[in-house]
Amino acid sequence: GEDVEQSLFLSVREGDSSVINCTYTDSSSTYLYWYKQEPGAGLQLLTYIFSNMDMKQDQRLTVLLNKKDKHLSLRIADTQTGDSAIYFCAEFCSNDYKLSFGAGTTVTVRA
Amino acid sequence: DVKVTQSSRYLVKRTGEKVFLECVQDMDHENMFWYRQDPGLGLRLIYFSYDVKMKEKGDIPEGYSVSREKKERFSLILESASTNQTSMYLCASSLTGQESLEQYFGPGTRLTVT
Repeated sequence: GEDVEQSLFLSVREGDSSVINCTYTDSSSTYLYWYKQEPGAGLQLLTYIFSNMDMKQDQRLTVLLNKKDKHLSLRIADTQTGDSAIYFCAEFCSNDYKLSFGAGTTVTVRA
Repeated sequence: DVKVTQSSRYLVKRTGEKVFLECVQDMDHENMFWYRQDPGLGLRLIYFSYDVKMKEKGDIPEGYSVSREKKERFSLILESASTNQTSMYLCASSLTGQESLEQYFGPGTRLTVT
């Protein structure tokens, strides 16, 4: 695994869409993940995408993968106060069989 | 439902003390991991284990050791705690195999070394 980068903070109004962006560097990544960490809790897998896919939708969540640019995004539609959390992007590196995490994006939902 | 438990949610230790952090998973997972989480740095892998009595260094193993005597239990040991080891420690487990790369996390142990 190599560097995974994401912005540290995002503030969004309740009801709007949130978009969290992530870039990675390992071209051998097979899976890319989004984890959510609520205050005082461990990480919980939100969704993942296989590297041969461009998009995955799961209810309010849409994951977009641009493999050429090594760019991953997570869109949360109709953001709610319960979506306030830290969101981590992670890549699975097939050459060393480990997960590499980004620093996490703290999403704050304001009324 | 997968459950990963960690022995303590909060721990305060003095510099130089030996510290044990315990992690137990109840889903017969082969793989177990220890991470530390620091603001702005995300999760960094300390050690991991693919099987009983087996361990591999992660990205930041210095100052830590681990023990895996039983499949369900993975212990992180700080031989002589230092203030720069103040952090949130997260344990995770996963199955082996392409179909199950998801890691399941415990709630974390917030360690303060004074």
